[in-house]
Amino acid sequence: NAGVTQTPKFRVLKTGQSMTLLCAQDMNHEYMYWYRQDPGMGLRLIHYSVGEGTTAKGEVPDGYNVSRLKKQNFLLGLESAAPSQTSVYFCASISGGFGVNEQFFGPGTRLTVL
Amino acid sequence: GIQVEQSPPDLILQEGANSTLRCNFSDSVNNLQWFHQNPWGQLINLFYIPSGTKQNGRLSATTVATERYSLLYISSSQTTDSGVYFCAVRDQNRDDKIIFGKGTRLHILP
Repeated sequence: NAGVTQTPKFRVLKTGQSMTLLCAQDMNHEYMYWYRQDPGMGLRLIHYSVGEGTTAKGEVPDGYNVSRLKKQNFLLGLESAAPSQTSVYFCASISGGFGVNEQFFGPGTRLTVL
Repeated sequence: GIQVEQSPPDLILQEGANSTLRCNFSDSVNNLQWFHQNPWGQLINLFYIPSGTKQNGRLSATTVATERYSLLYISSSQTTDSGVYFCAVRDQNRDDKIIFGKGTRLHILP
């Protein structure tokens, strides 16, 4: 049981390049989230999903797209990277529904855009 | 949307001291968690505590949902307690978004 995993762990991009971050969870959770954390700051919600095939915007969605084609995977895409997107990206999941809904986090992806 | 405020923003203590961290939220929530982000950036679950009191070793937490606040207590602080403590709430009125506070940065001096 790996929990929440993120790929890659580190990446350096040039301005204008594109990339996709992968989040995978093996806990059969319904809800998945993408956050970004800038230096010395808290976590800000980018996009989230409440189930397979669904996505919704968070606090800072501009410049990002997401897809949830399979329940266990949540992809975050940057179509044209900008230096302002340099950050650490965290993925998280919760089971959803009623009952205990503890959120579990992945280890993070450190992205630098030059 | 829901607002989450944490206080104090920064706290410097001597090893062995006790501390209380506060999380206020502006609307009803059905989910509240406390996390510790260690100096290596890992986010560690401390408590899932939508209401009531829980204890885990030197740490305990209390949430009073009707008064919209939660407290995290750290007793006999150790240097390994250093880092940032976040609370996060699930906004049941807005599509289950989870919103984080800005955190309390705790530095324990040896």
